Amino acid sequence: AQTVTQSQPEMSVQEAETVTLSCTYDTSESDYYLFWYKQPPSRQMILVIRQEAYKQQNATENRFSVNFQKAAKSFSLKISDSQLGDAAMYFCACPRVSNSNSGYALNFGKGTSLLVTP
Amino acid sequence: DAGVIQSPRHEVTEMGQEVTLRCKPISGHDYLFWYRQTMMRGLELLIYFNNNVPIDDSGMPEDRFSAKMPNASFSTLKIQPSEPRDSAVYFCASTKGQGSVELFFGSGTQLSVL
Repeated sequence: AQTVTQSQPEMSVQEAETVTLSCTYDTSESDYYLFWYKQPPSRQMILVIRQEAYKQQNATENRFSVNFQKAAKSFSLKISDSQLGDAAMYFCACPRVSNSNSGYALNFGKGTSLLVTP
Repeated sequence: DAGVIQSPRHEVTEMGQEVTLRCKPISGHDYLFWYRQTMMRGLELLIYFNNNVPIDDSGMPEDRFSAKMPNASFSTLKIQPSEPRDSAVYFCASTKGQGSVELFFGSGTQLSVL
């Protein structure tokens, strides 16, 4: 089974500080994408960042970056200069299967609830 | 683009009643997914379609659940009869695939079965 583990149910960070959310995953594939999604109280699932596994360079989107360790199957999310609006549930996701015949379904971790304090 | 559209946003029903959730994927997206979110189990994939054909329904919990996609712009998830343990948020998502692999989610349907 392809699983995603987020070991931190809750995290807290002060405004303007940096926080890192952890994620490990399990896959037998060599070519795949990984994702972080954000779910604010509105419950809308919003893509934060994605990483292509065959790229060694870590993805960056403004204040959000990842630390991708392919051999360790680790995919952490770093949020710099945290803002009150970053408070949300964050989900890590990996492909359920990766070959194109089976589509692009994702397995999600249980999520990390991020609290941002003033 | 309007994004993935789900209806209703909230549904409250009584045990034993039939419930139908609806989804309109983003135009041009070939894949459609139904997920269920609960506190205990997180986000679970129920079923997904490729070009309107069900590909994997192994996540459908039991025969009370059924899903259809009669055309490229519409899908339904039906629960009959509903039970209190079906209470959850049900998400529909779509993706084009072939290089654009992120899932685009609807706003979800909050289902409460009393």
